[in-house]
Amino acid sequence: DAKTTQPPSMDCAEGRAANLPCNHSTISGNEYVYWYRQIHSQGPQYIIHGLKNNETNEMASLIITEDRKSSTLILPHATLRDTAVYYCIVRVVETNAGKSTFGDGTTLTVKP
Amino acid sequence: EPEVTQTPSHQVTQMGQEVILRCVPISNHLYFYWYRQILGQKVEFLVSFYNNEISEKSEIFDDQFSVERPDGSNFTLKIRSTKLEDSAMYFCASIPKPPEAFFGQGTRLTVV
Repeated sequence: DAKTTQPPSMDCAEGRAANLPCNHSTISGNEYVYWYRQIHSQGPQYIIHGLKNNETNEMASLIITEDRKSSTLILPHATLRDTAVYYCIVRVVETNAGKSTFGDGTTLTVKP
Repeated sequence: EPEVTQTPSHQVTQMGQEVILRCVPISNHLYFYWYRQILGQKVEFLVSFYNNEISEKSEIFDDQFSVERPDGSNFTLKIRSTKLEDSAMYFCASIPKPPEAFFGQGTRLTVV
């Protein structure tokens, strides 16, 4: 699996967009980028994934750079309930993608 | 919305005892996983289960651990002869197709 690097923590004002960066400079061509989050003491929650095109769903948007060496998860209108640890993971989806290594992630704190 | 259910939510056991953690994954999902998270540490992959057999396991998943899907619905993790260091949150996840994993709320295991 390609290694990912995320800032340890970020703050965001409630109602504003939260932009969470992730570096994955060693990503290979068949590896996807996917994001999970873990709200305090709860089970991780899948957010979104992508290969090279930008993706959007009801929770977030994922912007992947053209060289695929980095990506940004965007929560368009952050709420207090979005306070969580956000994990960026790179893995080949076709293989046993559940065997994911959850790194340290980014602790996002949404403030009123 | 369908969800993964784990029982019990909290289990206290004496060192050396056997425990069984239970999970009811979402029906029609194909892949099932167990993870653990020691307090304050990363979420760690333990084992994956597909087509009624273990498909992959981590180095943590030694002979002390076993998994079963005894009746086609429940998915269990058994820990024989528990040790103090087995104290952790244990998460079950089911996946319809990678990487969109659905996690349960976890079982907090405390070994005393």
